[in-house]
Amino acid sequence: LAKTTQPISMDSYEGQEVNITCSHNNIATNDYITWYQQFPSQGPRFIIQGYKTKVTNEVASLFIPADRKSSTLSLPRVSLSDTAVYYCLVGLSGYSTLTFGKGTMLLVSP
Amino acid sequence: NAGVMQNPRHLVRRRGQEARLRCSPVKGHSHVYWYRQLPEEGLKFMVYLQKENIIDESGMPKERFSAEFPKEGPSILRIQQVVRGDSAAYFCASSPLDSPYNEQFFGPGTRLTVL
Repeated sequence: LAKTTQPISMDSYEGQEVNITCSHNNIATNDYITWYQQFPSQGPRFIIQGYKTKVTNEVASLFIPADRKSSTLSLPRVSLSDTAVYYCLVGLSGYSTLTFGKGTMLLVSP
Repeated sequence: NAGVMQNPRHLVRRRGQEARLRCSPVKGHSHVYWYRQLPEEGLKFMVYLQKENIIDESGMPKERFSAEFPKEGPSILRIQQVVRGDSAAYFCASSPLDSPYNEQFFGPGTRLTVL
């Protein structure tokens, strides 16, 4: 399974755009990149998934360069409620097992 | 439209007792997964089940831990003779039969404390 590396923590202010980058140098050809969000005392929640280029949904955007060795989760205009841990996962789409790292703790301040 | 339900939310056991954690998946979902999360750590996969079958239990300790997902009723994660190191948050997740994404729906977790 491809290992991921992401910053331990990030700080931001309300209204700013936040970009969290994840490195996955040994991503396999068939692997997809998936991001989850976890609030304190809750289970993780799926945010977005992509394979290449750019994916956008109502919550976030995911940018994946051509070499796919990294990806960037972009959260537009964050609010206090976006304070959470964000996990980057790499693996086969629809695969049964999710492998979580330690994630990035995003703290949004007023 | 209920999501994944887990109970109890908090469970306290003394060393040597048994812990039973229950998980009801999203209605219509036939795949259930159990994960364990230690403080300040990411979730670690334990076991993957479909109705009446264990598909992958590679992440589950060989001793004291067992899981089932019967034809009727919730999925059960059972820990026998608990030790302090079993203290953690245990999350259950479910997914539909043919999910094109790595999207699993997680429950709120059961926080197990072993005294």
